[in-house]
Amino acid sequence: DGGITQSPKYLFRKEGQNVTLSCEQNLNHDAMYWYRQDPGQGLRLIYYSQIVNDFQKGDIAEGYSVSREKKESFPLTVTSAQKNPTAFYLCASSVGTASGNTIYFGEGSWLTVV
Amino acid sequence: AQTVTQSQPEMSVQEAETVTLSCTYDTSESNYYLFWYKQPPSRQMILVIRQEAYKQQNATENRFSVNFQKAAKSFSLKISDSQLGDTAMYFCAFMRGYKLSFGAGTTVTVRA
Repeated sequence: DGGITQSPKYLFRKEGQNVTLSCEQNLNHDAMYWYRQDPGQGLRLIYYSQIVNDFQKGDIAEGYSVSREKKESFPLTVTSAQKNPTAFYLCASSVGTASGNTIYFGEGSWLTVV
Repeated sequence: AQTVTQSQPEMSVQEAETVTLSCTYDTSESNYYLFWYKQPPSRQMILVIRQEAYKQQNATENRFSVNFQKAAKSFSLKISDSQLGDTAMYFCAFMRGYKLSFGAGTTVTVRA
């Protein structure tokens, strides 16, 4: 089945560690996104990528990094510079970044700092 | 910057009845898109309905319909014949270009 797969579902990080969240899609979408969701809030855009080897910062990129070496994959690294990383992270994709293209989401990953 | 406001943090509805969720947005653009997403307890974001601002006709998807008032910048969602599986958080979202801006969400609980 076509879709967006995120792993792991749950991740615990010690303070000072970097962690990487995986996102893979088999929808043949050009554009991919990472969003962060905090309790009781909507989603905020961290990074997006329109095409392989290109990505742009979103609204809250500080403390995060991404790569886009393959069309199917868009991993997110939460670095130790991210002051408050505990949140729910959603990966998404769309056909392209032109206005109106519906954005589809993965099932999300919970990150907790312990 | 676009802002999206959902003024109802929580709504409760009896099974088989109708509930309407409100959403207002602020933009100076004339061409944009609006969405409603559903987030059930599993936390996956699921597209419910999509509206193009240049279309006068309100979008409908089975039991879900919208009331799009462009001049008033209002985009409400009506859920008819509510089912227990409709229990979820519902997010209104505005899209211009690549970016989706979300409201804070409305939690809908359907009572048996």
